[in-house]
Amino acid sequence: SQTIHQWPATLVQPVGSPLSLECTVEGTSNPNLYWYRQAAGRGLQLLFYSVGIGQISSEVPQNLSASRPQDRQFILSSKKLLLSDSGFYLCAWERGPTDTQYFGPGTRLTVL
Amino acid sequence: KQEVTQIPAALSVPEGENLVLNCSFTDSAIYNLQWFRQDPGKGLTSLLLIQSSQREQTSGRLNASLDKSSGRSTLYIAASQPGDSATYLCAAVYSSASKIIFGSGTRLSIRP
Repeated sequence: SQTIHQWPATLVQPVGSPLSLECTVEGTSNPNLYWYRQAAGRGLQLLFYSVGIGQISSEVPQNLSASRPQDRQFILSSKKLLLSDSGFYLCAWERGPTDTQYFGPGTRLTVL
Repeated sequence: KQEVTQIPAALSVPEGENLVLNCSFTDSAIYNLQWFRQDPGKGLTSLLLIQSSQREQTSGRLNASLDKSSGRSTLYIAASQPGDSATYLCAAVYSSASKIIFGSGTRLSIRP
């Protein structure tokens, strides 16, 4: 069976510090991978998606970047965090566009 | 602009009632529509996926319908239980590149 992991589960960082969130998928190969952010009381905002190693598409301009160094690894990064980067970050995978998306447990990021 | 709206934002009903959650989308050229459940502080769990060529999907006490012409989807929950309490999100997928837009969700509370 397939599983998706995210870490850390929670993170408190000062403004201006770097960020690295990791997402890994097990039990499948060549998945499409996604990073979302969910602000309090709001829906999910798609940040990045990837259809293969080294292939990253960004949906909104922002202070964040993403990388896919391996087939089943997706990393969300920032060089300098802003207060507005606080939120709940979710990683998801799918086999293809006709398939449902499967979400990880999320990372709660608080920037102080 | 492609938008997904969910009404109501919150709903509280007594246990045992049948209920309907609504989702509307402004662009009817969807690839598929998905319903998810989110428990507090957790990731999303897929409930149902309806392809654009389908009219409805059923899973247990859940039934989701899709009317592309009117830009609407509904999630019907039969014989509600306290364990159904959660936030329910719908998402419209617009292309094979998986441009996915989420609604802001309906927070459902089932009173024992």
